Amino acid sequence: AQSVAQPEDQVNVAEGNPLTVKCTYSVSGNPYLFWYVQYPNRGLQFLLKYITGDNLVKGSYGFEAEFNKSQTSFHLKKPSALVSDSALYFCAVRDRGRDDKIIFGKGTRLHILP
Amino acid sequence: GAVVSQHPSWVICKSGTSVKIECRSLDFQATTMFWYRQFPKQSLMLMATSNEGSKATYEQGVEKDKFLINHASLTLSTLTVTSAHPEDSSFYICSTGGGLAGYKDTQYFGPGTRLTVL
Repeated sequence: AQSVAQPEDQVNVAEGNPLTVKCTYSVSGNPYLFWYVQYPNRGLQFLLKYITGDNLVKGSYGFEAEFNKSQTSFHLKKPSALVSDSALYFCAVRDRGRDDKIIFGKGTRLHILP
Repeated sequence: GAVVSQHPSWVICKSGTSVKIECRSLDFQATTMFWYRQFPKQSLMLMATSNEGSKATYEQGVEKDKFLINHASLTLSTLTVTSAHPEDSSFYICSTGGGLAGYKDTQYFGPGTRLTVL
């Protein structure tokens, strides 16, 4: 079965510092991986995805993620954090075997400290 | 990306009543829609997959008679919580997938509906 794991419940980063939100995956076959962000009382917003091609994927709001096949990781990164980046971040994998169903990680709450 | 709307954004109802939540894809035809629920400070739990013109597929442990899903058109899916009880209070989110070119690999989410059952 497809799954993703987010080992950190919360990440605290000072504004202006680089940030990393970790994600590892377990899939059969080639993975379709996603990052979404959720602001309070809102739905999820798509940030970026990895389907194929370059291992470094660039997405919205200056975020990027690096696909690492040997480490089965897809960590989300940003060179310089903003206070407005504070939100809940979800890593997800698409279950290609069934109706495009997406499996979400438990989420990581990112706090950017001013 | 695709635009998905939900209505209402929040609803408060009495125990025992039914509540209908609408999910609309505004700028493309969605052959498949998904319904999730999210408890406070938790991840999204997939409830069911809604396919246009056919019966929904429910995840294990989700009562199909309690959570009625109808996907009568390519732009509208509805979730009806029947005989709601306080434990049904949650944040319900829909998403779309399997639409026309460019959307198949990415799901786009509605803004969510906050249901509170008194």
